[in-house]
Amino acid sequence: GENVEQHPSTLSVQEGDSAVIKCTYSDSASNYFPWYKQELGKRPQLIIDIRSNVGEKKDQRIAVTLNKTAKHFSLHITETQPEDSAVYFCAATGPEAGSYQLTFGKGTKLSVIP
Amino acid sequence: DTGVSQDPRHKITKRGQNVTFRCDPISEHNRLYWYRQTLGQGPEFLTYFQNEAQLEKSRLLSDRFSAERPKGSFSTLEIQRTEQGDSAMYLCASSLGAGAKYEQYFGPGTRLTVT
Repeated sequence: GENVEQHPSTLSVQEGDSAVIKCTYSDSASNYFPWYKQELGKRPQLIIDIRSNVGEKKDQRIAVTLNKTAKHFSLHITETQPEDSAVYFCAATGPEAGSYQLTFGKGTKLSVIP
Repeated sequence: DTGVSQDPRHKITKRGQNVTFRCDPISEHNRLYWYRQTLGQGPEFLTYFQNEAQLEKSRLLSDRFSAERPKGSFSTLEIQRTEQGDSAMYLCASSLGAGAKYEQYFGPGTRLTVT
């Protein structure tokens, strides 16, 4: 089955700086890679996703890049704000999973220091 | 609120008791997933429904767990003879499924504490 590794586990940045979170996956058949933001006590919220037919996707201050050859993808947050503080999870899935269930990384706790 | 809803939000039970959780997906979504999340971990897949059919189960889903989606709308997850190791957040997610709509939207979860 799929295995997703996520780094770093914790990340502290100054407000206004950029943050980068990296994930690797094991199943070369995986073709969908979402990122979720989870604030304390709240539901995971889908913030951006990328499919294997593109290498980069942007949405305002967040972007995701995908390197299929190396089987890794990254989340980039620019001009960080205190409200970006949360736990971020990467995930992967694809046709081999049948149901397209998501395999998640262990999460990155991002702290943005005002 | 047209998002995924779950009930109850919190459940405290004694070891050995049975508990049942409910999930109401987004109305037009025909795919429904259950995940379990423990402290400091990402969600882990438990089971999946396409309409009313339960099509996949994880090996995490022991025989004490059962899930239903009787009319292809809401779903229930029952845990029999609860154990302390069952303490976790149980999350439900739904997706449209059609036309390769992979996006899964999560509910707020049911936090289970087994004492």
